[in-house]
Amino acid sequence: EDQVTQSPEALRLQEGESSSLNCSYTVSGLRGLFWYRQDPGKGPEFLFTLYSAGEEKEKERLKATLTKKESFLHITAPKPEDSATYLCAVQATSGTYKYIFGTGTRLKVLA
Amino acid sequence: EAGVTQFPSHSVIEKGQTVTLRCDPISGHDNLYWYRRVMGKEIKFLLHFVKESKQDESGMPNNRFLAERTGGTYSTLKVQPAELEDSGVYFCASSPQGANTEAFFGQGTRLTVV
Repeated sequence: EDQVTQSPEALRLQEGESSSLNCSYTVSGLRGLFWYRQDPGKGPEFLFTLYSAGEEKEKERLKATLTKKESFLHITAPKPEDSATYLCAVQATSGTYKYIFGTGTRLKVLA
Repeated sequence: EAGVTQFPSHSVIEKGQTVTLRCDPISGHDNLYWYRRVMGKEIKFLLHFVKESKQDESGMPNNRFLAERTGGTYSTLKVQPAELEDSGVYFCASSPQGANTEAFFGQGTRLTVV
């Protein structure tokens, strides 16, 4: 069964304290892995798509990487405005184009 | 360009009543998805439209849920009759033609069944 697991569930960082969020996945074949950010009361906001092992994408203080079993979202020198829930989702090659989501990591960055 | 719009943002109904959620996708997006997040759980897929056709409805929980997409534009999700376990946040997403392009999400409809 296709599955996505994110860790940690919650993370508190001081402003400027870099860290990484993990997304482990099990799928029959990976079509794509997607990272989203979600603020309270809002829908998920797209960040990155990764398609193959070894691929990396960067945007401001965020960098996403992908291996055959997991993805990391590295946050460098975070600011309070980076506080949000970060969601990982995979799209499998088998069947349809739905997303399979993890439960997310709630990030709080303290000033 | 307008994003994905969902209406209403909140709905509180009694068990046994009917509720209809609406989603207006980004103009020109052929793919439209419905997802749901119940308390403490991950966001789960409900169904996928390509234009007006149901491509995948494997995530629909039971026959109390009915989704339609009129003319390949907006979509509605009707729950009839609503049960307590239907409470959660319902998200709609859309994406352009192409299987693995990213989806853009609406702000969600929070449904509470009491």
